[in-house]
Amino acid sequence: DIQMTQSPSSLSASVGDRVTITCRASLGIGNYLAWYQQRPGEVPELLIYAASTLQSGVPSRFSGSGSGTDFTLTISSLQPEDVATYYCQKYNSVPFTFGPGTKVDI
Amino acid sequence: EVQLGQSGAEVKKPGESLKISCKGSGYSFTSYWIGWVRQMPGKGLEWMGIIHPGDSDTRYSPSFQGQVTISADKSISTAYLQWSSLKASDTAMYYCARQYVYNSPSDYWGQGTLVTVSS
Repeated sequence: DIQMTQSPSSLSASVGDRVTITCRASLGIGNYLAWYQQRPGEVPELLIYAASTLQSGVPSRFSGSGSGTDFTLTISSLQPEDVATYYCQKYNSVPFTFGPGTKVDI
Repeated sequence: EVQLGQSGAEVKKPGESLKISCKGSGYSFTSYWIGWVRQMPGKGLEWMGIIHPGDSDTRYSPSFQGQVTISADKSISTAYLQWSSLKASDTAMYYCARQYVYNSPSDYWGQGTLVTVSS
């Protein structure tokens, strides 16, 4: 099975900072990559799919890029409400594995 | 409005059986896949498997194959996740989530069902 890794595992940044999270697949997955946000105590929410397409209603400060094995999630200007754990997920074929998550604090 | 309503929290003993549910509303239940995701206390998301309620086509993660059973009753727009013999290590939050096609992301999620297994 394809393994998903994320880096860093956690980070702390200031309001207004640009934040970048990396996700890597052990084999190529095309652009079948999604990013989810899970705020503390809440249900995960879809942020980005097809590696770079913003889900409806998601603020434009979030963006995604990459294809094949290497992907990034960028928050252009970190806001207090962005405190959360971010997960990437591959969905090209079963199993639709999640990355281990990146915890973002302020 | 699309909603996935999950059954309530459960407290069970090791060895007991359990079936939790996920009821879809606000969309055509048989046109979307339903997946299940486990989140153990303080840990990350683990993908368990998916089912297409229209034809009951079911796929499992190798990590969960044989450990759980995913099913659906399209007549009542409900998907299920069941265990025949719970273990303490099954203690977790379980989420259901909708996917438009087989290889698509999960766009709507249920509120989660907390399962606690303790003697």
